[in-house]
Amino acid sequence: EAQVTQNPRYLITVTGKKLTVTCSQNMNHEYMSWYRQDPGLGLRQIYYSMNVEVTDKGDVPEGYKVSRKEKRNFPLILESPSPNQTSLYFCATGDRPWETQYFGPGTRLLVL
Amino acid sequence: AQSVTQLDSHVSVSEGTPVLLRCNYSSSYSPSLFWYVQHPNKGLQLLLKYTSAATLVKGINGFEAEFKKSETSFHLTKPSAHMSDAAEYFCVVSIYTGGGNKLTFGTGTQLKVEL
Repeated sequence: EAQVTQNPRYLITVTGKKLTVTCSQNMNHEYMSWYRQDPGLGLRQIYYSMNVEVTDKGDVPEGYKVSRKEKRNFPLILESPSPNQTSLYFCATGDRPWETQYFGPGTRLLVL
Repeated sequence: AQSVTQLDSHVSVSEGTPVLLRCNYSSSYSPSLFWYVQHPNKGLQLLLKYTSAATLVKGINGFEAEFKKSETSFHLTKPSAHMSDAAEYFCVVSIYTGGGNKLTFGTGTQLKVEL
C-alpha cells in the first residue's frame, strides 16, 4: 500500500529541546517537502527536496533543518524549538513537484 | 515572486446549489495549479490539477476548474453541492524558481453546506 508516514503524530516538548520529526515514503518519489499549517495562514512550505542531491528552502525555513540522505526519508529537525513553532506539520511526496502530492497524516507539535 | 490568493475565507451554500471557490495567482512563469481538499482532522487530498494541457480541468467528486491566463484565475466549481463537500479547500501553485520547484498554498476556503 502506498504510504507516507510521519512520526510522532503528537508531540509536546519544551523550548530548546532538539527534536526530529520523521517522514518516510514507499512510492519511490523524487520530490519531498515539509509544510506547517496554522489557522488562517493555510499551509506554508518549510523546505523541499527535488531529489537526494537537491534540497532548498521554502517560504518559512527559519528555525528548521532537513536532511535527504536517502530517497525514502526526509526528516525535519528543530534544533532549538520555540513556542512560535507550535503548529501542525505535514510531509508530502510526489514524483515531481508539478504532479500529485501525497500528504502524510500530520504531526501536531506543541512547544511550551 | 509567486503567490496565490483565495478570495473568500468562508463560503456557505445550500445542498444542491452550485459551488464557486475563487482563486487568483501571480507568477512570472507558466504555473502548475492544483486544488486540494482537507476534511476535518484529515490529511490533504488532490481534487484536480492543471499542468498546461486543457484549460478546463475535471477532478474527483464532480469538481472542475478553469484556467484563465488573461484573468490569472483558477476558480473551482461544482454544479450541485453535497453535504459531504463540507471541508477546507486550498488552491496551490507550483513554480520553477531556478533551484527547484516551490509549492505555494492559498490561505484556504472553508466550505459550509447547509440543508
